[in-house]
Amino acid sequence: AQSVAQPEDQVNVAEGNPLTVKCTYSVSGNPYLFWYVQYPNRGLQFLLKYITGDNLVKGSYGFEAEFNKSQTSFHLKKPSALVSDSALYFCAVRESGGYQKVTFGTGTKLQVIP
Amino acid sequence: NAGVTQTPKFRILKIGQSMTLQCAQDMNHNYMYWYRQDPGMGLKLIYYSVGAGITDKGEVPNGYNVSRSTTEDFPLRLELAAPSQTSVYFCASSRVNTEAFFGQGTRLTVV
Repeated sequence: AQSVAQPEDQVNVAEGNPLTVKCTYSVSGNPYLFWYVQYPNRGLQFLLKYITGDNLVKGSYGFEAEFNKSQTSFHLKKPSALVSDSALYFCAVRESGGYQKVTFGTGTKLQVIP
Repeated sequence: NAGVTQTPKFRILKIGQSMTLQCAQDMNHNYMYWYRQDPGMGLKLIYYSVGAGITDKGEVPNGYNVSRSTTEDFPLRLELAAPSQTSVYFCASSRVNTEAFFGQGTRLTVV
């Protein structure tokens, strides 16, 4: 069974500093990996994805993520955090075949401190 | 382009009542999903569908039912509401191997 782990419930970072939100995964076959962001009382919004190709993927709002197959990780990063980045972030993995179930992590709350 | 539309946005149910949460997408996506989000618990998959007429259980299907008679619609049925079903429900859709698009959610309270 596939799974996603987000080991940090909350990450605090000062505005202007780099941020990292961690994610590790477990899936049989090739992983399709995603990051989503959720603002209060809203649905999830897609940020970026890794399907194949370069290990460093770039997404919306200046976010990027690094796929590391040997460490089964897909950490979300941003060089300089903004207060407006404060939100709940979810990592997700999708089966590459079959019914393509999407499994989410438990989420990491990012707090950017002015 | 409406994307994924969920109705209602809010609902209060009494224990034992039934209701249907509606979900419609206009992107011609084959895959559709229902999740529930409880505080601090992330998203749990309730049911999913890979196309009209095909559905399957997710992690937490008990107390729910779904149907998928058309590509566009994927309603979620609660037959006998229980307080444990108090949650925020999200519907999502996607194409094969791509990201999912989410609705705005339905906040359900069972009292």
